Amino acid sequence: DTAVSQTPKYLVTQMGNDKSIKCEQNLGHDTMYWYKQDSKKFLKIMFSYNNKELIINETVPNRFSPKSPDKAHLNLHINSLELGDSAVYFCASSHSATSDTQYFGPGTRLTVL
Amino acid sequence: SQQGEEDPQALSIQEGENATMNCSYKTSINNLQWYRQNSGRGLVHLILIRSNEREKHSGRLRVTLDTSKKSSSLLITASRAADTASYFCATEGSGSRLTFGEGTQLTVNP
Repeated sequence: DTAVSQTPKYLVTQMGNDKSIKCEQNLGHDTMYWYKQDSKKFLKIMFSYNNKELIINETVPNRFSPKSPDKAHLNLHINSLELGDSAVYFCASSHSATSDTQYFGPGTRLTVL
Repeated sequence: SQQGEEDPQALSIQEGENATMNCSYKTSINNLQWYRQNSGRGLVHLILIRSNEREKHSGRLRVTLDTSKKSSSLLITASRAADTASYFCATEGSGSRLTFGEGTQLTVNP
């Protein structure tokens, strides 16, 4: 009965590889997000989708491409991984895109070697 | 500096004491939210206070908001060891995006 789930929990890969992280929410929410948390615990929004449409696209390298096949899923694909991509990536969802509590997934720790 | 800066960066107290964390921000907001993050886990929403509210309570939590000073505080009363976590404030401004601060690491010693 997990509300927001992410897979995998840990991801270790070599520089230059392409990888994907998947996120699913069973809360019936319309809006989903991807955040990146760096080693200093600073959390920064990357993307947001509302009803499968991109509504927030922060200054993120275009090697990062989100995909929302339906409003319960928001996946993150990363091409040509770099050392600086190492971080914890969190997916979140909210009922709507405005003034609402966000529910976070458990995170995916990505380590690029 | 970042929107939503927490102060202090780290706080260590004894069980039973109160813990106060502060958050300052720079631009106008729709609401301010506080989240908790246990080590190795995702963030958990604690409380949301809207820009027209001054104080809100939830159990042992008390949040204040002073929009004239662009600051908020989170008070945890009668702290417990289980309250040990990082606490983040997040502001929602225009564009409906949350901007998180760098967090306060709270350690409650038994």
